[in-house]
Amino acid sequence: NAGVTQTPKFQVLKTGQSMTLQCAQDMNHEYMSWYRQDPGMGLRLIHYSVGAGITDQGEVPNGYNVSRSTTEDFPLRLLSAAPSQTSVYFCASSYGRPGRVPYEQYFGPGTRLTVT
Amino acid sequence: AQSVTQLGSHVSVSEGALVLLRCNYSSSVPPYLFWYVQYPNQGLQLLLKYTTGATLVKGINGFEAEFKKSETSFHLTKPSAHMSDAAEYFCAVSQSFQGAQKLVFGQGTRLTINP
Repeated sequence: NAGVTQTPKFQVLKTGQSMTLQCAQDMNHEYMSWYRQDPGMGLRLIHYSVGAGITDQGEVPNGYNVSRSTTEDFPLRLLSAAPSQTSVYFCASSYGRPGRVPYEQYFGPGTRLTVT
Repeated sequence: AQSVTQLGSHVSVSEGALVLLRCNYSSSVPPYLFWYVQYPNQGLQLLLKYTTGATLVKGINGFEAEFKKSETSFHLTKPSAHMSDAAEYFCAVSQSFQGAQKLVFGQGTRLTINP
């Protein structure tokens, strides 16, 4: 199993550009999520999905869109990049339907994004 | 809403010394608690977790943590630090939100090991 994969590893954007960060998992996990990591702030949840076709907002969703058309893929779209979106982005996945004891979340290696 | 506070953004210990990383949580319901480790330029890896049962939880790489409800704490310890333990450590609590279980992370503690 490849686990959770993310592409690209690094990206530089100009303000106003759009792009999609890719995330895929091959563990048949129901739950997937996107976090951003900023110094001194830990990881903050952007969006999450509890299954194909179901997504919802996390703590910091503004400026980002997601969709979940398959169990395996959960892309994150930046609509119009801003310098405040400079961060490291992590995708994670786990088993677990709503209401059950949470399973371990598996994290991808991250995408380092710089917006100039 | 649940929250997590990690005391100390940087901790430095000598090789062979005790490692103690502090985590306090706020939760109105019995919490599920986690410690994750992040090595440089890598994603997060689960060290250990507390869900129910025994309050002393053992994890990988010789780490353990004790859930103390009266102190709302979940501190991470390792008796003898190794150079390979240098990393950033995150404490997290699982929060129910609109039917899903989400992780709420602390700010992280960077652990440095001195030779």
